[in-house]
Amino acid sequence: DAKTTQPPSMDCAEGRAANLPCNHSTISGNEYVYWYRQIHSQGPQYIIHGLKNNETNEMASLIITEDRKSSTLILPHATLRDTAVYYCIVRVATSYSGYALNFGKGTSLLVTP
Amino acid sequence: ETGVTQSPTHLIKTRGQQVTLRCSSQSGHNTVSWYQQALGQGPQFIFQYYREEENGRGNFPPRFSGLQFPNYSSELNVNALELDDSALYLCASSPGLVSSTDTQYFGPGTRLTVL
Repeated sequence: DAKTTQPPSMDCAEGRAANLPCNHSTISGNEYVYWYRQIHSQGPQYIIHGLKNNETNEMASLIITEDRKSSTLILPHATLRDTAVYYCIVRVATSYSGYALNFGKGTSLLVTP
Repeated sequence: ETGVTQSPTHLIKTRGQQVTLRCSSQSGHNTVSWYQQALGQGPQFIFQYYREEENGRGNFPPRFSGLQFPNYSSELNVNALELDDSALYLCASSPGLVSSTDTQYFGPGTRLTVL
């Protein structure tokens, strides 16, 4: 199973871009990278996912390197409400047809005024 | 809001007791997954149900069991509770298993405390 490595914590000033890195050097060719975040004691919130092309939605952008061994989640204008633990995830197969999310410890992002 | 609901919000039990946690999936979703999140850790996969059948299981003992009903709501049952079962229990629903990009949407969780 592909594993991910993230820095344990990061700081970002409000209004600036937050760039959260993730290493997934053992990812296989057909595995997607997912990002979720979790605000204290709430359920994880889906942010974005991608395979090899860069992706953007209303919440964030996902930049995946050409060799797919790492990616960066970008929050373009961080706000105080973006303070959360961010998880970079490569799914694992539960059976021939199902997938589970393989959470690590994530990156604790603190957005400061 | 994801449309996934869980009950109860909080629960306190004692060692050896049994507990049932409930999850209502987002409309149109036929797959539900359960996760356990201990304090300070990321969520750990317990098991997944697809159309009322177990479709995969993580590294949890048999005293953790589940059910999925025809309306795709789900229960997590834990027997013979241990202190280490104290955790946030999360359920996540997804539209199905066919798509390789199936996204799981989480409920708010149930906080279980075992004394």
